[in-house]
Amino acid sequence: KQEVTQIPAALSVPEGENLVLNCSFTDSAIYNLQWFRQDPGKGLTSLLLIQSSQREQTSGRLNASLDKSSGRSTLYIAASQPGDSATYLCAVPNSGNTPLVFGKGTRLSVIA
Amino acid sequence: DAGITQSPRHKVTETGTPVTLRCHQTENHRYMYWYRQDPGHGLRLIHYSYGVKDTDKGEVSDGYSVSRSKTEDFLLTLESATSSQTSVYFCATGDRGIEKLFFGSGTQLSVL
Repeated sequence: KQEVTQIPAALSVPEGENLVLNCSFTDSAIYNLQWFRQDPGKGLTSLLLIQSSQREQTSGRLNASLDKSSGRSTLYIAASQPGDSATYLCAVPNSGNTPLVFGKGTRLSVIA
Repeated sequence: DAGITQSPRHKVTETGTPVTLRCHQTENHRYMYWYRQDPGHGLRLIHYSYGVKDTDKGEVSDGYSVSRSKTEDFLLTLESATSSQTSVYFCATGDRGIEKLFFGSGTQLSVL
């Protein structure tokens, strides 16, 4: 059974700082990995989807990397802003292409 | 983003009563999912559907049933609600099951 771990559980940084969120998973036989953002009281929004054949995916100030062999992914946020404050979750399929298993998320606070 | 509507948005009910949550999508996605989100547990899969009348169980399916009679609607039923089913319930949809996932805004359910 796939297990997803996210470290740290919470992070507080000053505005403008670059930061890295970590995600690890136990079964490396995955099709892809997704990073999501969740604002308080809201649903999840998919930020980046990395296919198993890719090593990186970028969207604006966000860059996600994937190392399948080691079961790790990182989400890099450049020049953080208060609007980036949210919970960030990573998710991978349980096995193959089955439904996603989620980490518990990292709660990010960017202080102005 | 996909048009996903969850109803009701909030519900308070009593232990032992039946409850049905509805998820409606306008994107014609084949896959639909029900997750629950709880502090300390993160998001956990309850049931999912890979087509009309085709459903399967997730990791926390006990006490829940689902039905999908039309592509656009996926119903989650708590046959006899218990206090342990107090949670936020999220519906999600995806086109091929291995691609980007879209989430509804959630239903806050309180069982007293």
